[in-house]
Amino acid sequence: EDQVTQSPEALRLQEGESSSLNCSYTVSGLRGLFWYRQDPGKGPEFLFTLYSAGEEKEKERLKATLTKKESFLHITAPKPEDSATYLCASNAGGTSYGKLTFGQGTILTVHP
Amino acid sequence: EPEVTQTPSHQVTQMGQEVILRCVPISNHLYFYWYRQILGQKVEFLVSFYNNEISEKSEIFDDQFSVERPDGSNFTLKIRSTKLEDSAMYFCASGTGYNQPQHFGDGTRLSIL
Repeated sequence: EDQVTQSPEALRLQEGESSSLNCSYTVSGLRGLFWYRQDPGKGPEFLFTLYSAGEEKEKERLKATLTKKESFLHITAPKPEDSATYLCASNAGGTSYGKLTFGQGTILTVHP
Repeated sequence: EPEVTQTPSHQVTQMGQEVILRCVPISNHLYFYWYRQILGQKVEFLVSFYNNEISEKSEIFDDQFSVERPDGSNFTLKIRSTKLEDSAMYFCASGTGYNQPQHFGDGTRLSIL
């Protein structure tokens, strides 16, 4: 069974203090690894898709990387507005038709 | 920027009643999905839908659940006889392919009394 595990569960940073969030996955035939941001009371907001090991994507203060077993979301010099829950999700190959398997998320709080 | 819209934002229903949750996907998307998130738990896949038929469904999506695209713009999830454990946030998503990003609505909070 496909599994996605995120760590840490919660992360508190000072503004400007860079850090990384981890997403470990066990998926047969990964088709894609997705990162989302979720604000309270809202739906997941798409950030990045990574399709193969070694791939990197960047957007403002965020950079996502992928290996064969993990993905990292690096946050450089975060600001309070980066506070949110960050979700990763895998899309498996084989007979999967778009099903995303989500991790439990990392709750990021950035203090001014 | 195009977005997925869901109505209602909050639905309160008595146990045993039928509910229909509605979604308007992004207009040029052809792949549609429903997920749910019970409070404090992970987002869980329910069903994927393409070309007017279900492509894949999870164990959660039993005979009490059904989906429909009644016209060119709406996508609905029906729960025939609601149970207390159906209380959750239900998210609709749409995309341009099975391995392409899925864009989510802000959800319908379903409360079963």
